[in-house]
Amino acid sequence: AQSVSQHNHHVILSEAASLELGCNYSYGGTVNLFWYVQYPGQHLQLLLKYFSGDPLVKGIKGFEAEFIKSKFSFNLRKPSVQWSDTAEYFCAVNAKPGNTGKLIFGQGTTLQVKP
Amino acid sequence: NAGVTQTPKFRVLKTGQSMTLLCAQDMNHEYMYWYRQDPGMGLRLIHYSVGEGTTAKGEVPDGYNVSRLKKQNFLLGLESAAPSQTSVYFCASSYGGTRETQYFGPGTRLLVL
Repeated sequence: AQSVSQHNHHVILSEAASLELGCNYSYGGTVNLFWYVQYPGQHLQLLLKYFSGDPLVKGIKGFEAEFIKSKFSFNLRKPSVQWSDTAEYFCAVNAKPGNTGKLIFGQGTTLQVKP
Repeated sequence: NAGVTQTPKFRVLKTGQSMTLLCAQDMNHEYMYWYRQDPGMGLRLIHYSVGEGTTAKGEVPDGYNVSRLKKQNFLLGLESAAPSQTSVYFCASSYGGTRETQYFGPGTRLLVL
């Protein structure tokens, strides 16, 4: 069965620190990869997504993620975090075949940024 | 444009009671999904629909039923609630399938005693 693993469950950083959140998936075929974020009191929203092409994708609010096929990874990065980045982050995978849009989510990582 | 809305926001049930959660979207999306979120487990897909009148099972469908009689609405039913169904339920919708962004509702917090 497909699965997604996020290694860091709770991360605490100071403002201006760099961020990297790990995400690994288990599926040998073609995948579509997503990072969603849930800010306190808000809906889950898309940060970025990858389908094909340049493995380094940029999203909103200065976030980026790199797809490394050989490592089955899609890690999220940000060079300098802000207090407003405090949120829960979810990695998700949509594996072909089929066009159902079904997503498999990781466990989530809670990021706390200290001012 | 309200996006995806969910009713109710919070509910307490006793074991064995039934209830229906309503999800509505005003974006004319074809696909709709119901997820549950539990601590340390992320979101898990319960049921989904790829169009009006269609439904299909996700990862954790047992104990739930769904209906999509109108394109804009996706109902999640619990026929006989169990404490294991205590969770936060999220509805989402998307224009299409595989590569499309899913838009999420605010969630319904359900407590089953």
